Amino acid sequence: DGGITQSPKYLFRKEGQNVTLSCEQNLNHDAMYWYRQDPGQGLRLIYYSQIVNDFQKGDIAEGYSVSREKKESFPLTVTSAQKNPTAFYLCASSWTSVRTDTQYFGPGTRLTVL
Amino acid sequence: GENVEQHPSTLSVQEGDSAVIKCTYSDSASNYFPWYKQELGKRPQLIIDIRSNVGEKKDQRIAVTLNKTAKHFSLHITETQPEDSAVYFCAASNSNTGKLIFGQGTTLQVKP
Repeated sequence: DGGITQSPKYLFRKEGQNVTLSCEQNLNHDAMYWYRQDPGQGLRLIYYSQIVNDFQKGDIAEGYSVSREKKESFPLTVTSAQKNPTAFYLCASSWTSVRTDTQYFGPGTRLTVL
Repeated sequence: GENVEQHPSTLSVQEGDSAVIKCTYSDSASNYFPWYKQELGKRPQLIIDIRSNVGEKKDQRIAVTLNKTAKHFSLHITETQPEDSAVYFCAASNSNTGKLIFGQGTTLQVKP
């Protein structure tokens, strides 16, 4: 999991602003994922990508957008349409999503709306 | 929809005692069940996982058991130590979707 990096570690956003969270991996993994974690709750899937130039909505995709132009990068944009964006955001990757391979997590980005 | 229920939400044990965390899942197609440990402010770390073709797996003080008929699986930690204190998450996935569905988490406190 040391091959997955996220930046920034902390991010503050004003209401009405879009912000982009970075996720990079050098593990040569095909699949990448974005999760949101709120206090006292488990991880909820926002978006996932099984291969470059392809991605699917997860369980809570509203107000978020992603791109997967490169294998190693899967940035997440939190748009102004997301009503309650304050949370801990975790990126993960795995060799492939088809065989349910182990997912390894990045260190996370804590987003706070001011 | 797919759902994973995890119990208890908090667990406090004395150092040296055993701890057991249980999860039930709804999707009968689930075939992969990982357990993650998350320390405060850190990333979840995989501690053990099991696939549906086995009923039990052990790794030193940690074991996971799976009952596919009842659709539940459990994490067992023996000889607990203060450094085992963390939040533990179970998850379930199936090969059709590749998505992991997580439980709500269990906060384990090991008292010295």
